[in-house]
Amino acid sequence: KQEVTQIPAALSVPEGENLVLNCSFTDSAIYNLQWFRQDPGKGLTSLLLIQSSQREQTSGRLNASLDKSSGRSTLYIAASQPGDSATYLCAVEETSGSRLTFGEGTQLTVNP
Amino acid sequence: EAGVAQSPRYKIIEKRQSVAFWCNPISGHATLYWYQQILGQGPKLLIQFQNNGVVDDSQLPKDRFSAERLKGVDSTLKIQPAKLEDSAVYLCASSLLGFAYEQYFGPGTRLTVT
Repeated sequence: KQEVTQIPAALSVPEGENLVLNCSFTDSAIYNLQWFRQDPGKGLTSLLLIQSSQREQTSGRLNASLDKSSGRSTLYIAASQPGDSATYLCAVEETSGSRLTFGEGTQLTVNP
Repeated sequence: EAGVAQSPRYKIIEKRQSVAFWCNPISGHATLYWYQQILGQGPKLLIQFQNNGVVDDSQLPKDRFSAERLKGVDSTLKIQPAKLEDSAVYLCASSLLGFAYEQYFGPGTRLTVT
């Protein structure tokens, strides 16, 4: 059974700092991995999707990497802003069309 | 484009009562999902519909939870009778056609069972 773990559970940083969020998964045979953002009282918003054949994806100040062999992914946020404060979730899709397995999330607070 | 709509946004009930949640997906989206998100955890898929047929309900506690998607559009999720451990946020999401396409999430319904 696939298990997804995110460390740390919570992170507080000053504005402008670069930061890394970590995601690990137990079964490396995945189809893709996604990073989501969740704001309080709102649903999830997809940030980045990395196919199993890819090593990384970039969108603006966000960069996600994937190392299937070690079962790890990282989300790098450059020059953090208070508006980045949210919970970040990673999720893996084991085979094409299968359900997503989510981690527990990292709650990020960026202080002005 | 209108997003995924859910109602109610909040609900408080006593244990053993019943409750129903409603979801209206994005127009044209064939796939609809219901997730349960317990505080401090990631979402867990309860049921996935493709049009009005069930694709995956393996994690749905069928002794108390039921869901339907009439006419392949709106969906309702019902809990009867509710237990304390059902306290969670229930998220509805939709996509064009299955997990291969981006999922769009609604704001969720926060259920508190006392």
